[in-house]
Parts: sequence; C-alpha cells; structure tokens
Amino acid sequence: DIQMTQSPSSLSASVGDRVTITCQASQDISNYLNWYQQKPGKAPKVLIQDASNLETGVPSRFSGRGSGTVFTLTISSLQPEDVATYYCQQSDNPLLTFGGGTKVEIK
Amino acid sequence: EVQLVESGGGLVQPGRSLRLSCAASGFTFDDYAMHWVRQAPGKGLEWVSGVNWNSGSIGYADSVKGRFTISRDNANNSLYLQMNSLRAEDTALYYCAKNRVGSYSRGLFDNWGQGTLVTVSS
Repeated sequence: DIQMTQSPSSLSASVGDRVTITCQASQDISNYLNWYQQKPGKAPKVLIQDASNLETGVPSRFSGRGSGTVFTLTISSLQPEDVATYYCQQSDNPLLTFGGGTKVEIK
Repeated sequence: EVQLVESGGGLVQPGRSLRLSCAASGFTFDDYAMHWVRQAPGKGLEWVSGVNWNSGSIGYADSVKGRFTISRDNANNSLYLQMNSLRAEDTALYYCAKNRVGSYSRGLFDNWGQGTLVTVSS
C-alpha cells in the first residue's frame, strides 16, 4: 500500500494568512494526488485533482503543487469559511489511500 | 443534480452481517465507477471498496478483503456493500461516492452521499 502522510495534523491561523498543508507519499505517485475539504458534519468535497487542477467552483485562493512524493495545498488568504479538515488522496495505486487529515481553524 | 442516498446502516453485533445500499440519481449511473468510503467517529477517511462501471474490476482495502462484497445494479441505479463478519473496528459512517471516470482505480470521488452509520457492538 502507498502511505500518505500529512502535516501538520492541525493548525490555527488568522483570517488573511497564507496556509500550506503538506502531503508526502511513501513512493512516487507522479501527479495522481487529489485534495478534499470536509467541513464539520458534512461529506467531503473535492478541491483539486491531479495535484494542481482546481475543481470548477472552488475559489482561486486554493492551489495545489507537487509531483512524485511531495505535494502541497495552499490557501493564499484564509477565510472563515475555510474552517475544515483537509485530506489528500492518492490514485496512482488501485488500493486508494488518504492522508490522515489536517484540521484548519481560525485563530 | 447528482444525488446519492445511502441506507441500511444500524446497530449490529460483532460477527453478524449487514447490507448497505446507495440509490443514485441525476447522472448516467452505468458510465461511472462507484466507491464506498468510511469514516470512524472522530477519525479520518478510509477507502473501503470500488467497482468499475460494468462490475468488471473490483477492489477492496486490505482491512475488509474477504469480509465485504461490493456490487452494483445498473438497471436500478444502485450500489451495494455486503458486510459479513463485522468487527468493532468496522464502526463508521459509510459514504457512497461517485467516481469521476468509469475505472475505479483512478479514484477521484467527485460526489458523495451523506452517509449511513454502522455501529458494531454487543
């Protein structure tokens, strides 16, 4: 199985701050990396496909980068509605796996 | 509008069985792979199983292989998960999720249901 490790596991930042979440794969997954946002009590929602492709309707303050084993999700200017847990997920191997999640809160 | 509605969850004793269902609407069901993803209380997401558009290819997480069986009925736009030999660690909210493409192995979960809760306890 491909292990996905996210860091940090949680963070607290101020409105307007730039926030970066890192996801590391245990082996090369090319760009087969997706990001999801899960707000409290809700189902997850896909934000970014294939490491850097923003889903339609997702605000442009969200961006993704990376390839191989290290990937990042950046929120350029944190907004109150961005409070959520963020998950990465690899789709290189058919045994699909998620990272452990990063909980983002407002300071 | 895509809608995925799960049902079949509940309280079950360890070792018993349960069958989950997912009713799909708002898209051409037999064009897309489908998945089950679970989330234990207060924990992260875990992919459970996926099935190709035509049931020609199926995959399972190691944690459920040999105990769970995924299936689909394209005529009735439905997805199922038969869960046998249930364990306490199977307690979770089970989500039905639509894949972006017909093959489950390039998994991108682009639509989710609201989930059905399975509790395994004596």
